[in-house]
Amino acid sequence: GENVEQHPSTLSVQEGDSAVIKCTYSDSASNYFPWYKQELGKGPQLIIDIRSNVGEKKDQRIAVTLNKTAKHFSLHITETQPEDSAVYFCAASKQAGTALIFGKGTTLSVSS
Amino acid sequence: GAVVSQHPSRVICKSGTSVKIECRSLDFQATTMFWYRQFPKQSLMLMATSNEGSKATYEQGVEKDKFLINHASLTLSTLTVTSAHPEDSSFYICSASYPGSIRETQYFGPGTRLLVL
Repeated sequence: GENVEQHPSTLSVQEGDSAVIKCTYSDSASNYFPWYKQELGKGPQLIIDIRSNVGEKKDQRIAVTLNKTAKHFSLHITETQPEDSAVYFCAASKQAGTALIFGKGTTLSVSS
Repeated sequence: GAVVSQHPSRVICKSGTSVKIECRSLDFQATTMFWYRQFPKQSLMLMATSNEGSKATYEQGVEKDKFLINHASLTLSTLTVTSAHPEDSSFYICSASYPGSIRETQYFGPGTRLLVL
């Protein structure tokens, strides 16, 4: 089955810096890769997603890149703000709407 | 984004009792709902996939007789933890989607924290 590895497990940056979180997946049949932000005691919130027919997607300060050949995808957050502090999860599935396999999460801390 | 609610948000029960958790998609019809379990400081582990009107598909290692899932309508799925024990204490999160529509992405509920004494 699918296995998703996520690094780093913790990341501390200064406000205004960029943050990068990387994930690798094992199943070449996976075609959908969402990223979720989870605040303490809450459910995950989708922040951006990418499908396998696209190499990069951007939404304001957030971007995701996908290298399907190497089976890895990354989340890039620019101009980080304290409110970006949370746990971020990458995930993979065969297509949107099907079961997701999650990475172990990255705790991002943005200090002002 | 779409809105998914869960009820209750937290529940404390005695060992041996059963607890029902509801997951509702409030502004769209969800043909598929998923149930996840999350331990403190850990990732989400998929427990089961539920399609409206049919039996849930459980992940390996998840006891179907202990975690009863019902998805009787396009807006409601329930998870019943039967004969709960302290090791069942966890954060249970549902998600909903409508594959093939503009709501095909999984939208997550706020979670239910279960504490079994």
